[in-house]
Amino acid sequence: EAQVTQNPRYLITVTGKKLTVTCSQNMNHEYMSWYRQDPGLGLRQIYYSMNVEVTDKGDVPEGYKVSRKEKRNFPLILESPSPNQTSLYFCASRGGEGGGHLNTEAFFGQGTRLTVV
Amino acid sequence: GQSLEQPSEVTAVEGAIVQINCTYQTSGFYGLSWYQQHDGGAPTFLSYNALDGLEETGRFSSFLSRSDSYGYLLLQELQMKDSASYFCAVLDGGYQKVTFGIGTKLQVIP
Repeated sequence: EAQVTQNPRYLITVTGKKLTVTCSQNMNHEYMSWYRQDPGLGLRQIYYSMNVEVTDKGDVPEGYKVSRKEKRNFPLILESPSPNQTSLYFCASRGGEGGGHLNTEAFFGQGTRLTVV
Repeated sequence: GQSLEQPSEVTAVEGAIVQINCTYQTSGFYGLSWYQQHDGGAPTFLSYNALDGLEETGRFSSFLSRSDSYGYLLLQELQMKDSASYFCAVLDGGYQKVTFGIGTKLQVIP
């Protein structure tokens, strides 16, 4: 089954404690992205990756890091989380073949609800 | 930059037709996408329009007018399960950034 898998689904942490949210896709997709979703603000892109070792900032990258060492994995790293990073996070992917590079996200993960206290 | 505008809420009656509009401003337009998201769930892809006109997929249709920078999602024969948020989105192909609208919360009432 084609899917994007995020872990964990729920996370409560304290300010300043480094954390990583993992994302994995099994569709051999080139493009992967991270979004945060907040009430009244919709989905905002944090970082995206066009392929292995190729990443770039989205609209709200401050306080986040990513890496793309393998095609299937795209972890989101919060080096020093703060309460304003409390949000619902989604990982997404899409393929590059057949015009996929000109499309928007095809598959989303189940979401990670992060609370920073 | 890119920006999209869509209504924040729409209410419609079961069995009726509803249209959700989206206007956009973007520096490099490739196409307009639509997503559905139920409360507590992940967004799911509904449709993508790269060319002007209407695309139909079952009860859902999506329309694009590139000259007007405008599109809409049309939902026919509304069912209670269609109650969800609907997002439009565009891709900045040059930078591969994706921008979503803030979403339209559709409530279907009996």
